Amino acid sequence: EAGVVQSPRYKIIEKKQPVAFWCNPISGHNTLYWYRQNLGQGPELLIRYENEEAVDDSQLPKDRFSAERLKGVDSTLKIQPAELGDSAVYLCASSISGANSYEQYFGPGTRLTVT
Amino acid sequence: AQTVTQSQPEMSVQEAETVTLSCTYDTSENNYYLFWYKQPPSRQMILVIRQEAYKQQNATENRFSVNFQKAAKSFSLKISDSQLGDTAMYFCASGSGNTGKLIFGQGTTLQVKP
Repeated sequence: EAGVVQSPRYKIIEKKQPVAFWCNPISGHNTLYWYRQNLGQGPELLIRYENEEAVDDSQLPKDRFSAERLKGVDSTLKIQPAELGDSAVYLCASSISGANSYEQYFGPGTRLTVT
Repeated sequence: AQTVTQSQPEMSVQEAETVTLSCTYDTSENNYYLFWYKQPPSRQMILVIRQEAYKQQNATENRFSVNFQKAAKSFSLKISDSQLGDTAMYFCASGSGNTGKLIFGQGTTLQVKP
């Protein structure tokens, strides 16, 4: 069974440039999460989707971050414009929907460096 | 609000020995789950072990076991017969209610020495 797929694995951009990350969850997983992990820290949730609906985006900085999951499968997270403080690893995770389904499977992440 | 605290930033253990990683948490939920995730240098986060809060019996997975002290809100991970491949960052996490949201601790970097 294929795991969570993310691309690109690495991205270096200059500040004020846009950037986008892509995630394809495990087949059959209706719940998709985007996390941000700063160096030496634990992941922090940015947004959670149930199918194509964003059910928790309270931690997403909406002035510059946006996300979509149009067909309820793969998802894109965008930053525009990027700032130096956005340098981090962006992790995507997926799980089976339903109460108490907290067993999340993570992708390898995208390491973003903003210069 | 939920919080998860890992007070050991770094630990080391000799190969084949046993090590315990500490974690404390705080939650107002009655129904919640606790997890330990492993993140090797390659960065992929892997689930190590999971504990349902309503279960009194401590979870075990091969060489990995937990000591779940619900009243003390403590959830430590014991790794027996440590192997070089256990070298990684370990994160404790809690999830509660129906939100599916995980709260992670700051992580503990474990190095297994030959």
